[in-house]
Amino acid sequence: KQEVTQIPAALSVPEGENLVLNCSFTDSAIYNLQWFRQDPGKGLTSLLLIQSSQREQTSGRLNASLDKSSGRSTLYIAASQPGDSATYLCAVPLQGGSEKLVFGKGTKLTVNP
Amino acid sequence: DVKVTQSSRYLVKRTGEKVFLECVQDMDHENMFWYRQDPGLGLRLIYFSYDVKMKEKGDIPEGYSVSREKKERFSLILESASTNQTSMYLCASTGQGAYGYTFGSGTRLTVV
Repeated sequence: KQEVTQIPAALSVPEGENLVLNCSFTDSAIYNLQWFRQDPGKGLTSLLLIQSSQREQTSGRLNASLDKSSGRSTLYIAASQPGDSATYLCAVPLQGGSEKLVFGKGTKLTVNP
Repeated sequence: DVKVTQSSRYLVKRTGEKVFLECVQDMDHENMFWYRQDPGLGLRLIYFSYDVKMKEKGDIPEGYSVSREKKERFSLILESASTNQTSMYLCASTGQGAYGYTFGSGTRLTVV
């Protein structure tokens, strides 16, 4: 059964710092991996989707990498800002390219001014 | 630019009531989902629909049912609300595969 783990559960950094969030999954036979952002009391917003044939995907100050063989992904945030404070969740398909996703429990990020 | 709309942000219901949570998407997506999110447990899939009138149970379907009579609308029904169904409920939709996964803003349901 696919399981997704995110470490750390919470992270607090000063503004301007570069940081890395980690995600690991147990079944490497996935077609893609997504990173989502969730603000308090809100729904999730998709940030980046990496296909299995890609090693990384970039959007602005965000860069996500995927290493299928080791079952790991990282989300790199450059020059963090207070507006980046949120919970970040990664998700992989239940199996293969399934539309059903398995989510990690997230990393709560706080960026202090 | 809102694409997945959940009818209520906050809802308070009494134990035993029948509760309807509505979700509408305007992206012509085939797939729609209902998740619940609880502290320490993360997101758990309740039900999934891959087409009109088609549905699959997720990880925690007990106490819930769903209805999808039209492609754009996916309803979650709590047949007889209980206090352990107090939670944040999130609706999502997507096209083929997991591309374009879009969530609604969520409904915070409290059962008293």
